[in-house]
Amino acid sequence: KAGVTQTPRYLIKTRGQQVTLSCSPISGHRSVSWYQQTPGQGLQFLFEYFSETQRNKGNFPGRFSGRQFSNSRSEMNVSTLELGDSALYLCASSLEGTSGGAVEYFGPGTRLTVT
Amino acid sequence: GDSVTQMEGPVTLSEEAFLTINCTYTATGYPSLFWYVQYPGEGLQLLLKATKADDKGSNKGFEATYRKETTSFHLEKGSVQVSDSAVYFCALSDPMGSQGNLIFGKGTKLSVKP
Repeated sequence: KAGVTQTPRYLIKTRGQQVTLSCSPISGHRSVSWYQQTPGQGLQFLFEYFSETQRNKGNFPGRFSGRQFSNSRSEMNVSTLELGDSALYLCASSLEGTSGGAVEYFGPGTRLTVT
Repeated sequence: GDSVTQMEGPVTLSEEAFLTINCTYTATGYPSLFWYVQYPGEGLQLLLKATKADDKGSNKGFEATYRKETTSFHLEKGSVQVSDSAVYFCALSDPMGSQGNLIFGKGTKLSVKP
């Protein structure tokens, strides 16, 4: 079974621009979560989508948004980019979410650099 | 709110040394506990997990036991190899929590020297 894939792997944007990142979950997985990883803050949960609905949301400003399509693929969008948005963005998929101890499987991440 | 605290790194060991990485947690409910590993330039991989008190997770020679009385989930390996060099993250998932799916510790970087 193919793992979680994320595109693009690397991205360089300028302050004020917007960016869209894409994630394809493992086949059959209906839950997709997004995390931001930075050296200072570590790994922080952004949001989770399940069956095209946002089920859970972390503590990030409204500039961060996402969506999920009927085939479970997900995109996240960051508008009006700031230097502090430079990070590794990780997507993770699971069958039903992590409730009950189910495992999330992570993709390789998209490295976003904002200049 | 829920949180995970793990020992600060980096940790440098010689090959075949014994490894312990401490992890403690606070949680509202009864969380599941995980150890993830991140190799350079890659995403996170699940190393092991435990879903209830006294459960022991194990994989690739690594072990961790869910200790409810001490709210701990320490990672151990009896004999590390150079290939174990990576960053290790302790994490919890709390169905009663309000902070999202997985809550991670800051990570501990392990370097194993030949």
